[in-house]
Amino acid sequence: DIQMTQSPSSLSASVGDRVTITCQASQDIRNYLNWYQQKPGKAPKLLIYDASNLETGVPSRFGGSGSGTDFTFTISSLQPEDIATYYCQHYDNLPLTFGGGTKVEIK
Amino acid sequence: EVQLLESGGGLGQPGGSLRLSCAASAFTFSSYAMSWVRQAPGKGLEWVSGINYSGGSTYYADSVKGRFTISRDNSKNTLYLQMNSLRAEDTAVYYCAKSRGRGGSYPDAFDIWGRGTMVTVSS
Repeated sequence: DIQMTQSPSSLSASVGDRVTITCQASQDIRNYLNWYQQKPGKAPKLLIYDASNLETGVPSRFGGSGSGTDFTFTISSLQPEDIATYYCQHYDNLPLTFGGGTKVEIK
Repeated sequence: EVQLLESGGGLGQPGGSLRLSCAASAFTFSSYAMSWVRQAPGKGLEWVSGINYSGGSTYYADSVKGRFTISRDNSKNTLYLQMNSLRAEDTAVYYCAKSRGRGGSYPDAFDIWGRGTMVTVSS
């Protein structure tokens, strides 16, 4: 199985800050990498698919990059409504696996 | 509005069975692969099972292989998960999720999620 290692596991930042989360795959997954946002008590929401494509309706402050084994998710200017846990997920082969999550809080 | 609505969760006995359903609306259900993803209390996300657009191909995580069966009825726009030989570690919120593309043949990005249904396995 492909292991997805996300870091950090949590972070605290101020409104307006740039936030960066990384996700490392245990083997080459090309660009088959997605990012989700999950707020407490809610279902996850797809933000980025295929490493860098913004899902329809998602604000442009969210972005993604990378290929192969190393990927980055960025919030260019953190907003109060971005408080959530963020997950990466690959779909290069089965089983699909998720990263452990990054909890983002406001400082 | 595109929607997925799960049902069938509840309390199950160790070794027992439960059947989850997921009713889809406002999209062409028969064109997309579908999956079940679970989340144990306070934990991360775990993909459990997937099925292609026609139901002809099914996929499972090792943790549920041989115990869970995914199926779909495209005439009823409904996805199912038959859960047998339940274990305490199956306790989780179970989400139904729609695949975004890839011709409906394989799970990829999950662009639509249900609200989830809680499954608790305990005696």
